[in-house]
Amino acid sequence: AQTVTQSQPEMSVQEAETVTLSCTYDTSESDYYLFWYKQPPSRQMILVIRQEAYKQQNATENRFSVNFQKAAKSFSLKISDSQLGDAAMYFCAYRSTSGTYKYIFGTGTRLKVLA
Amino acid sequence: DGGITQSPKYLFRKEGQNVTLSCEQNLNHDAMYWYRQDPGQGLRLIYYSQIVNDFQKGDIAEGYSVSREKKESFPLTVTSAQKNPTAFYLCASSYTTHSYNEQFFGPGTRLTVL
Repeated sequence: AQTVTQSQPEMSVQEAETVTLSCTYDTSESDYYLFWYKQPPSRQMILVIRQEAYKQQNATENRFSVNFQKAAKSFSLKISDSQLGDAAMYFCAYRSTSGTYKYIFGTGTRLKVLA
Repeated sequence: DGGITQSPKYLFRKEGQNVTLSCEQNLNHDAMYWYRQDPGQGLRLIYYSQIVNDFQKGDIAEGYSVSREKKESFPLTVTSAQKNPTAFYLCASSYTTHSYNEQFFGPGTRLTVL
């Protein structure tokens, strides 16, 4: 069974600085999707970025980028020029491309942004 | 606007009562999901459905039941058999194709047992 691990329960970053959130996963599959979701204090889950495993190029969305290391099964999220609005819980998630359409979530990392 | 709605936002239940949480989507998604969120435990899958009139148990289905009679609707019933139902419940939906694969989430329902 696939698993997703976020080993950092909480992180802090100074406003305008860069922070990297870690995510590792375990799977025997070769093709899958990976996601980062943001959950602000409103608790509305918002998709931040996604990565298809067959693509070697790391995904980027404005200030958010990932470092996808398929062999190491690592999928970290880098937030550049951190803003106060980035403060939230961040969840890493995995979805297989075959079989069921289940999503596997990590336990989350709480990001604090310091003014 | 397309999206997912959940109601109510807050729900209070007395012990021994069954309660039903509503989830509706107008995104034309095939798959729908229910998650439970507790502090420090991320999202845990309760039930999911990939097609109308079919659903599968997730990791923590005991004490819960669902139905999928319409593509747009996936209500969750928290039964009296659920020993610790106080939690935040999230409903989500997605396509079942490979081109569009992210989940969209509703705003959630906070259930409290009195």
